[in-house]
Amino acid sequence: GENVEQHPSTLSVQEGDSAVIKCTYSDSASNYFPWYKQELGKGPQLIIDIRSNVGEKKDQRIAVTLNKTAKHFSLHITETQPEDSAVYFCAASIGSSNTGKLIFGQGTTLQVKP
Amino acid sequence: ETGVTQTPRHLVMGMTNKKSLKCEQHLGHNAMYWYKQSAKKPLELMFVYNFKEQTENNSVPSRFSPECPNSSHLFLHLHTLQPEDSALYLCASSHSIAGEGNEQYFGPGTRLTVT
Repeated sequence: GENVEQHPSTLSVQEGDSAVIKCTYSDSASNYFPWYKQELGKGPQLIIDIRSNVGEKKDQRIAVTLNKTAKHFSLHITETQPEDSAVYFCAASIGSSNTGKLIFGQGTTLQVKP
Repeated sequence: ETGVTQTPRHLVMGMTNKKSLKCEQHLGHNAMYWYKQSAKKPLELMFVYNFKEQTENNSVPSRFSPECPNSSHLFLHLHTLQPEDSALYLCASSHSIAGEGNEQYFGPGTRLTVT
């Protein structure tokens, strides 16, 4: 079946450093890839997404890159701050994005040390 | 706040109880979703509703019964649950299930404990 692998499972960086989280997916028909941030006691918050017709998307300190040939996509956070500490999830649409179905990675716990 | 609210936020129930989870979205969206989030496991999609019609049931046991009376409200009725059903149940909504507008926004979840 379809799956999404996410690495690393934990990531610790110093404030101001960059953080990179990587995901690979198995379904070549996937064409929508969102990233979520989940803080303790809260639901996942959509922070950025990318569709298969672009290779990179940026929003201030956050960027996502997509390599459809290799079936992997990555989240890049620059100039990390303590408030970036959270669990981050990647996801990929199952098949095309016409069903609303997403499959999620296992999550990455990011710790930003002041 | 994402515009998706869930009640109750915490629920403890015995295996013979019947309870319901409620989700309401204030975003004018047409699609709603139920997910299960267990410790050490990825989020699992349970159900998808589009314009009040169920479009996906991800092989969920019948002890979980969803109801979508309108595009703004979604319920999950629970009965004769098992301890392994203890988890965080998340509701999400999106404008559409296809193409642009399919971004899903989550509520805060209901932490369910089955004793």
